[in-house]
Amino acid sequence: KNEVEQSPQNLTAQEGEFITINCSYSVGISALHWLQQHPGGGIVSLFMLSSGKKKHGRLIATINIQEKHSSLHITASHPRDSAVYICAVFSQGGSEKLVFGKGTKLTVNP
Amino acid sequence: GAGVSQSPSNKVTEKGKDVELRCDPISGHTALYWYRQSLGQGLEFLIYFQGNSAPDKSGLPSDRFSAERTGGSVSTLTIQRTQQEDSAVYLCASSLFPAQVSSYNSPLHFGNGTRLTVT
Repeated sequence: KNEVEQSPQNLTAQEGEFITINCSYSVGISALHWLQQHPGGGIVSLFMLSSGKKKHGRLIATINIQEKHSSLHITASHPRDSAVYICAVFSQGGSEKLVFGKGTKLTVNP
Repeated sequence: GAGVSQSPSNKVTEKGKDVELRCDPISGHTALYWYRQSLGQGLEFLIYFQGNSAPDKSGLPSDRFSAERTGGSVSTLTIQRTQQEDSAVYLCASSLFPAQVSSYNSPLHFGNGTRLTVT
């Protein structure tokens, strides 16, 4: 079992829909990243959080440390949101090793 | 430059040859990371640098892989005697501080990667 599990693996939505991508992890963490990888391959860090909730534009990330679970929400989705979204965690204990989920491929159709 | 720069963007090499991959982090960033993304495997951590030191090399898959960083800036990942299973996209990222020091204020900035193909 991977230390970081994402669901769903693939997600297709219509423009305007509310999107939720889930991430569960099995280790104690110091921080969790949500990353976005576009078809060209470039990776952008969307959020880094260790508690609560963060919002940036139409994107919202939440984390529940007790339940070892994080969600990434996209409101009013748009075709340009089509990408692979990757959850990754830094484990506790001072490690700088980032452990990645396998990603969720999102396709938003016009 | 404004971002993390990696070169070459693509590299095709014959099995058994050595390759060097270069990463220029954002100026002033103390932490530098190498990752590998293999087809169907997702991203995996290779090595972490703080300044010129590499406190965590635990992700390097074999002793054919090595990396160094000089001047607290440029890093080179070297793969000796390449094998076909080394084919992957090698990504470099940097941050102002290590994540464990200041998780909130040091987001990771990724380069566009080097696509390595071993024939």
